[in-house]
Amino acid sequence: KNQVEQSPQSLIILEGKNCTLQCNYTVSPFSNLRWYKQDTGRGPVSLTIMTFSENTKSNGRYTATLDADTKQSSLHITASQLSDSASYICVVTPISGGYNKLIFGAGTRLAVHP
Amino acid sequence: EAGVAQSPRYKIIEKRQSVAFWCNPISGHATLYWYQQILGQGPKLLIQFQNNGVVDDSQLPKDRFSAERLKGVDSTLKIQPAKLEDSAVYLCASSLDVEGTEQFFGPGTRLTVL
Repeated sequence: KNQVEQSPQSLIILEGKNCTLQCNYTVSPFSNLRWYKQDTGRGPVSLTIMTFSENTKSNGRYTATLDADTKQSSLHITASQLSDSASYICVVTPISGGYNKLIFGAGTRLAVHP
Repeated sequence: EAGVAQSPRYKIIEKRQSVAFWCNPISGHATLYWYQQILGQGPKLLIQFQNNGVVDDSQLPKDRFSAERLKGVDSTLKIQPAKLEDSAVYLCASSLDVEGTEQFFGPGTRLTVL
């Protein structure tokens, strides 16, 4: 069964600190893996997208890594800001022929405190 | 470029009542998705349209949920009658192609069923 599991479920850090969020998946084969940021009361917004052949992608202070051998991805946030407080969702697109149904993780809820 | 529009943003109803949500996708996007996101979980696909045809509605509770996209542009999702467990955020997303290479999400409608 295709699954995406994220850890930790929630995280609290102080402003200016770094943090790393984890995503483990069993989806195989897959075409891409994305990280979304979802602010409270808003829809998810794409941060990074990596194909199965890529192992790192950056977007400002956000850096995603992908290890296709261990089926793990991580999202590293550098020098956190209060505005980074949100849920971060890992999403994997399986290759299934025709249209592709995204497999969503449950997300990690990050709170950045001053 | 205007994003995905949804209305209303919030809705509170009593169980057994009916409710309808509206979504207007990004102009030119052929594929439209409705997701249900229960608090603390990732989005779950309810239905996917390609233009005005249904691609996938396997997880839509058809005894109470219905959706249409008559002219292949905007869409409505209806719940009749609502149950307590329908309390969730209903997200609409759109993508340029049926493969869903990049999905853009609207702000969502938060439904509370009392």
